[in-house]
Amino acid sequence: DQQVKQNSPSLSVQEGRISILNCDYTNSMFDYFLWYKKYPAEGPTFLISISSIKDKNEDGRFTVFLNKSAKHLSLHIVPSQPGDSAVYFCAASGRSGGSNYKLTFGKGTLLTVNP
Amino acid sequence: ETGVTQSPTHLIKTRGQQVTLRCSSQSGHNTVSWYQQALGQGPQFIFQYYREEENGRGNFPPRFSGLQFPNYSSELNVNALELDDSALYLCASRKGQSPQETQYFGPGTRLLVL
Repeated sequence: DQQVKQNSPSLSVQEGRISILNCDYTNSMFDYFLWYKKYPAEGPTFLISISSIKDKNEDGRFTVFLNKSAKHLSLHIVPSQPGDSAVYFCAASGRSGGSNYKLTFGKGTLLTVNP
Repeated sequence: ETGVTQSPTHLIKTRGQQVTLRCSSQSGHNTVSWYQQALGQGPQFIFQYYREEENGRGNFPPRFSGLQFPNYSSELNVNALELDDSALYLCASRKGQSPQETQYFGPGTRLLVL
């Protein structure tokens, strides 16, 4: 049972345009959400996070939106750059059953930004 | 400041063998988590160590075990290897146990079981 879902395995956008990556979750006990970026042959790198008490968090070109009622979050990258091409993982953390210590990841979305 | 390092980078084993993977956490970090990433999947939580004690475990059998040392480095041991254990094994470290503390990942060890 996949608790964090990234339904788009891949996304292709033009340089300078907006990239929107989506993520859905099923566990209502999740209260902290993160996005990681992964290049080949490297470990995931933390990008941005959001607590469930907020609905938006911005950091430079990256903005994460959280819709708790829909159990949906999205990552917006604007403007997109070729160096943003990577696999993006959505992850969630919750407090149920002591699970506040672990991250549950989605399967990832491969973003390709074309020059 | 040295980041998270893992060794070896690649490993080939045969079914039934045992393997030990190593992780050096980032300076000042006392919490280490291990994840398994199978091909085409996201990382899956194996277990976490905090100050040398295992304090959280995912849905992995007991043949997956670990250790954390006084310097907070860590080992992941897998006994009786199966073909499905072929994956990228990631180690992540952070200060303390709060999920809001950023986890920093190492580059991973790619294990192939034949």
